[in-house]
Amino acid sequence: SQQGEEDPQALSIQEGENATMNCSYKTSINNLQWYRQNSGRGLVHLILIRSNEREKHSGRLRVTLDTSKKSSSLLITASRAADTASYFCAIKAAGNKLTFGGGTRVLVKP
Amino acid sequence: DAGVTQSPTHLIKTRGQQVTLRCSPKSGHDTVSWYQQALGQGPQFIFQYYEEEERQRGNFPDRFSGHQFPNYSSELNVNALLLGDSALYLCASSLNGGGWSESVAFFGQGTRLTVV
Repeated sequence: SQQGEEDPQALSIQEGENATMNCSYKTSINNLQWYRQNSGRGLVHLILIRSNEREKHSGRLRVTLDTSKKSSSLLITASRAADTASYFCAIKAAGNKLTFGGGTRVLVKP
Repeated sequence: DAGVTQSPTHLIKTRGQQVTLRCSPKSGHDTVSWYQQALGQGPQFIFQYYEEEERQRGNFPDRFSGHQFPNYSSELNVNALLLGDSALYLCASSLNGGGWSESVAFFGQGTRLTVV
């Protein structure tokens, strides 16, 4: 099974609203990363948060990390139609691989 | 600056055949990882190549093999194809050198493999 598990699996919101998705994992991590994927094509890196960080911002994105609960959240503020995509969390534990969750499919309606 | 390029973009193969997928990493990157993404799921790590050697491997059978060339490009080979091998195969490159955990992976657009 995948280490990272996103919740919810799907999300539908109106343009301008905020979108929040959560990720849970099972092991100790070096860092946690969020990626976006449009229409089943390549993944685009959004943000990386280290295990000793609690919150990080990048433009309209806000990521939190709670290592005691082994969970992270991604908040997209003031969503746009172009934010429609699948969002994946990926953990980097020991070694060099990224372990992805199942993703959250976000639909932003105009 | 070209990003990660993969070829071909789409491929249809018959069960039992063999397939080779190719990946050119982002300029300056020395590490290539391969992922398999089934429809509606997240990517699953297949293996990673650095300095022309397989450095780490996921839970995939030996039918999946790879290679990295001196120019850092890479190939993924799958033998004895099964219907279940139908998926999007993603290549990601990064600058890992000595295993820097904060290196960011840049992904290609993937190869959509359909096994019939």
